[in-house]
Order: sequence, then structure tokens, then C-alpha cells
Amino acid sequence: EVQLVESGGGLVQPGGSLRLSCAASGFIFSSYNMNWVRQTPGKGLEWVSYISSSSSTIYYADSVKGRFTISRDNAKNSLYLQMNSLTAEDTAVYYCAREYCSSTSCVDDYWGQGTLVTVSS
Amino acid sequence: EIVLTQSPDFQSVTPKEKVTITCRASQSIGSNLHWYQQKPDQSPKLLIKYASQSFSGVPSRFSGSGSGTDFTLTINSLEAEDAATYYCHQKYTFGQGTKLEIK
Repeated sequence: EVQLVESGGGLVQPGGSLRLSCAASGFIFSSYNMNWVRQTPGKGLEWVSYISSSSSTIYYADSVKGRFTISRDNAKNSLYLQMNSLTAEDTAVYYCAREYCSSTSCVDDYWGQGTLVTVSS
Repeated sequence: EIVLTQSPDFQSVTPKEKVTITCRASQSIGSNLHWYQQKPDQSPKLLIKYASQSFSGVPSRFSGSGSGTDFTLTINSLEAEDAATYYCHQKYTFGQGTKLEIK
């Protein structure tokens, strides 16, 4: 069974930092690209960052570029999101999602349960 | 940047009714459009991938269609457990969501 478990969320002051983790199990983690997606309270979903299976390709949403860093440790079956210079606009539930790719396209097929990040003084 | 626009934003429906949710892309995306269901306090769950392919374990009352810029999610014979918000998704973009309320 595919499982993704996020952790590391919490309350942080504006300007602070936080590191999120996503522990993967039930599949060969090193074979899959991964995404971070966030959801602000009561609102919709926003893609945050992407990392390829080998970490060779990384993308960020403009809203977090220069402040967030995505990484992974395939030996530990883990995905990370280092978040710096946090603002109130970063307050959200953060999900990690596995990306399954066919020969022509990809889809986020499994998501974790999410971890809440609250940026407030 | 591709924009996905769903309609309606909200719909109140009765059990056993047929529901149709649409998603329009700002430019052609072929069949690269996926549908998710999110219930309160849960993470999104994949329902339909590549516009029309049902994901493993999804009830047969859920179906998808469309290609290019116009896509549809259909729920036949709605059940109470289908109360949720539904999102369409393409790569780095999500629709704004359609909240389904069961009367």
C-alpha cells in the first residue's frame, strides 16, 4: 500500500523557517518524481514544487522561488521542503504527492494527509 | 500559464441525481486533465486520470470525458458519501474547485 506521511508543520513567526518531511512507503520511492502542493485554509490547491526521481530536475512556483528548497533522500525514502523567509501568505496545509508517469504524461496519483504550517506572530 | 476554470463553483443536489461538473482550460492540453475528490479534513483523492480513465478502486458511477480545452466529470446516481469538493488538475495548475452539497 502506497503511503505518504508528512511531518514538520507547526506555528512559526513571520520571517522564520521550517523544514517539512514526507516519508514514503509501499513503493519504490527512487523511481518516482514528487511534488509539494499546498492548500490555504478554506481555499483551493496550489502547486509549490517538483523534484524528479534523481533530483536532476527541480521546479518552483513563482510564489516560493528563492525562499523554498525541495530535496529528497532516496536512501531514506524521504522528501523534504525547506521553507525560509516565511510570510502569512505561506500559511497552508502542505501535501506531498507522488507523480506517476506513463509514456506520454504524468499524474499525481497518491497524496499524503498533509501537515499544517501556520505563520503568525 | 494554463488556467483551469471549473463550473459551477457550488451545487446542491439530491441523492440519485446525475451531476455534471465542467473544467475549461485556457489552451489545449490534450487529455492531460485529472479529477480529484476532497472530503472535509482529508487530502485529495484521484478519481479520473487522463480525462477519462478511472483510477483504481473508484466507483463506476464516476466518469470523465473531454479533450483539448473542455472536460467533464459526471457522477451518476449520486450518493450521500459523494459530498465533497471536486478539483480538476493539469500539471502545475488546479481548477478553483466545485463544492457538492447533498440535500
